[in-house]
Formats: sequence, structure tokens, C-alpha cells
Amino acid sequence: GQQVMQIPQYQHVQEGEDFTTYCNSSTTLSNIQWYKQRPGGHPVFLIQLVKSGEVKKQKRLTFQFGEAKKNSSLHITATQTTDVGTYFCAGSFNNDMRFGAGTRLTVKP
Amino acid sequence: NAGVTQTPKFQVLKTGQSMTLQCAQDMNHEYMSWYRQDPGMGLRLIHYSVGAGITDQGEVPNGYNVSRSTTEDFPLRLLSAAPSQTSVYFCASSYSRGAGNQPQHFGDGTRLSIL
Repeated sequence: GQQVMQIPQYQHVQEGEDFTTYCNSSTTLSNIQWYKQRPGGHPVFLIQLVKSGEVKKQKRLTFQFGEAKKNSSLHITATQTTDVGTYFCAGSFNNDMRFGAGTRLTVKP
Repeated sequence: NAGVTQTPKFQVLKTGQSMTLQCAQDMNHEYMSWYRQDPGMGLRLIHYSVGAGITDQGEVPNGYNVSRSTTEDFPLRLLSAAPSQTSVYFCASSYSRGAGNQPQHFGDGTRLSIL
């Protein structure tokens, strides 16, 4: 079936270091969404990418959608303790959406 | 601004019991869905609805039923609870569903334990 693979599963960084999580699909995606879930909380929508090769920025966060629309990445520059949480990608295949397993980010002050 | 409201927040059941998880949204969203979240497995779609009176199965529908009699409400029923259904359940809604998916708004979740 259609799946979205996300790596790494965990990432522990020192505050100020950069962080990247990657999502890959074996089939072309209609679009991809990114969500953040704080510990004990619920997923919160961050952004949606639709176009091939699209790059969007939100302050220290940079989101990319691959040229073939099969992969995406989220990069955080100079992490802060407020970035702690699990980051999920969600890929759309026609009218279906599948979430990646998430990358859990911890930040050491 | 209630958004998506889920009740209860916590529940403990015995194997074989049935129960209904409630979900209501006040944003007039057409699309509603139920996910379960298990460690290391992300969010898996159980059932979804694209409008009142219309429901369909997601990735892991077995053991669950849904109905959508109104735009606002989308309850999830566990028919005969099993320990494998111990999980955190999230309800979500979005304005519409299609090739240009809209952002999903999630409720706070129901933490369910089956003994």
C-alpha cells in the first residue's frame, strides 16, 4: 500500500544545532503537509507544499518538496528548547493521506 | 473558539466492553476523520467522512464503527474492546477533502487503555 517513510525516528541535539527530518514516498504525492506535536499534545498544522521543487520558510524552519514530488524535508536552523516535539509529514495520494511515523526531537539546553 | 472537541480525555475499559468516543467540531467542516496513534507508528487513519451521511474506511478500520448524522458530530464506536486497541485516538476535521487537501485541525485526543 501507499506509505510515507520518515527518518530519523529520534534526534537529540544541543541547543543551537540544526535539525533535519526527511520524508520519502515510493509514489508521487499530490501534496505534503507538516505537523508538529508537542509532548502530551495534539498535532498542529505547520505548512502545506504543493508544487514540485517548492521551498517555504517559516522563521527558522525551511520546508522543501522534491522535484519528483516523492520526498520532502523540514530543516530547523539553530534549534531552541521550544522546538521540542514530534514532527510529522503527511503525504496525499489522490484523495488519501498517510502520515509518516514522525521524528521526535529533543533539545538539550 | 472550541474547534474540535473530544470526550472523554481518558478511559479504561475491560476486554469485551464497548464504548463510544465522541467528536464534535464547530467550524462547519465537511471532512472529519479518526486516527489512532501508537508509539513509532505515527497516525493511522481508522475511518473518515466527507460529509453528513457519508463514511468510509481508512487504513485500520477493523473493530471500529462510525456514523455521521450531522456535519458537527463524528462518533467512533469500539464494538468489543481488545488490548490491541489501547492507543491514543485523535479526531480531526478540515474544510474539504480532495486533491488539494486542507489543513487538518485535531482534537486533544482520547487516551484509551484496554485491560
